[in-house]
Amino acid sequence: DSGVTQTPKHLITATGQRVTLRCSPRSGDLSVYWYQQSLDQGLQFLIQYYNGEERAKGNILERFSAQQFPDLHSELNLSSLELGDSALYFCASSTGGSNEQFFGPGTRLTVL
Amino acid sequence: AQSVTQPDIHITVSEGASLELRCNYSYGATPYLFWYVQSPGQGLQLLLKYFSGDTLVQGIKGFEAEFKRSQSSFNLRKPSVHWSDAAEYFCAVVLRLTGGGNKLTFGTGTQLKVEL
Repeated sequence: DSGVTQTPKHLITATGQRVTLRCSPRSGDLSVYWYQQSLDQGLQFLIQYYNGEERAKGNILERFSAQQFPDLHSELNLSSLELGDSALYFCASSTGGSNEQFFGPGTRLTVL
Repeated sequence: AQSVTQPDIHITVSEGASLELRCNYSYGATPYLFWYVQSPGQGLQLLLKYFSGDTLVQGIKGFEAEFKRSQSSFNLRKPSVHWSDAAEYFCAVVLRLTGGGNKLTFGTGTQLKVEL
């Protein structure tokens, strides 16, 4: 158990819908990262937040957005969902200066 | 561009045999390297990491990896594989980004099958 929690574990929705994925980092970790794992793209970095502020952006679509709240939990919002958004979404956390990231169990999103 | 290559998509070994999973990286500076393991339906578990110092690093579950700068490699090894080691293995490198952020760049993964 990494100490990073993600909810829900599974999510099934329809095209065009909007969903919110939630992540709670390890106690004391200030950085939260989101990654997408799909069969065709592999593991891709989406976005990083540090202590409530966006720190780095990767291949995140404009339909996707994220935020980190004062209690340090983070949410990833996915809107106008397409079939191709079906994937496993991971959250990871790290301490401020650490390069080591601890991963949550992931949320499996299925778009029908 | 910085990248990580895992040349082997699938590897099958017999239980008790030795294992080596290959990883090559492309990175301008001294890399921070990781191996993660993902069991079916599970998240990513860190096996070991290399930041600096001794180029042979020990990890959990009996795994080790050797950093070879001259070959740009960070291969994962285990002397004797157990059936429970069947999983997908990912090599990754940390990339420092402008603005103070960082991200992990992953290889495509190697699926390990263990024959009993």
